[in-house]
Amino acid sequence: EAGVAQSPRYKIIEKRQSVAFWCNPISGHATLYWYQQILGQGPKLLIQFQNNGVVDDSQLPKDRFSAERLKGVDSTLKIQPAKLEDSAVYLCASSTSRGWETQYFGPGTRLLVL
Amino acid sequence: KQEVTQIPAALSVPEGENLVLNCSFTDSAIYNLQWFRQDPGKGLTSLLLIQSSQREQTSGRLNASLDKSSGRSTLYIAASQPGDSATYLCAVDGTASKLTFGTGTRLQVTL
Repeated sequence: EAGVAQSPRYKIIEKRQSVAFWCNPISGHATLYWYQQILGQGPKLLIQFQNNGVVDDSQLPKDRFSAERLKGVDSTLKIQPAKLEDSAVYLCASSTSRGWETQYFGPGTRLLVL
Repeated sequence: KQEVTQIPAALSVPEGENLVLNCSFTDSAIYNLQWFRQDPGKGLTSLLLIQSSQREQTSGRLNASLDKSSGRSTLYIAASQPGDSATYLCAVDGTASKLTFGTGTRLQVTL
């Protein structure tokens, strides 16, 4: 079974620029998550989708971050404009709709904002 | 607000030693607790998932325990190997599959 795919793997941008990340979850997984992991910290949930609807985006900085999951499969996370403090690894994860099963993580996108 | 703490932050042990990683959480109303492994530059791999009604889970050389009432979990690694070197993350699921992670324990197993 193919895992969670993410691209790009690395991105370097200057502050105030925009950037987008893409995630393709495991086939059949209804739930998709985006996490932000700052160096030395654990991942922090940014947004959770159930199919193409948002379940939780309480920790998403909505003034600059946006995310969508069209057709309930792939998802994109966008930052516009980026700030220095957005430098982090952005992890995508997916799981079945049943809440007691584990989440499967992609390799992440490492973002550096200069 | 759920807070998850992991101690120690870093640990170095010689190969073959048994070791224990600790995780504590502030809100005992959880659905489950998971231990993940993270290798440098890679995503997270789930190691063990303990449901709130369970006391422990075992997989190979790994054993995780859960004491929900005291807000504690431990991950026991037997006969450590250099390949076990990684960061180990504890995460609690409080509601609707929302995980709250600790900051992790960075483990190095030396030859």
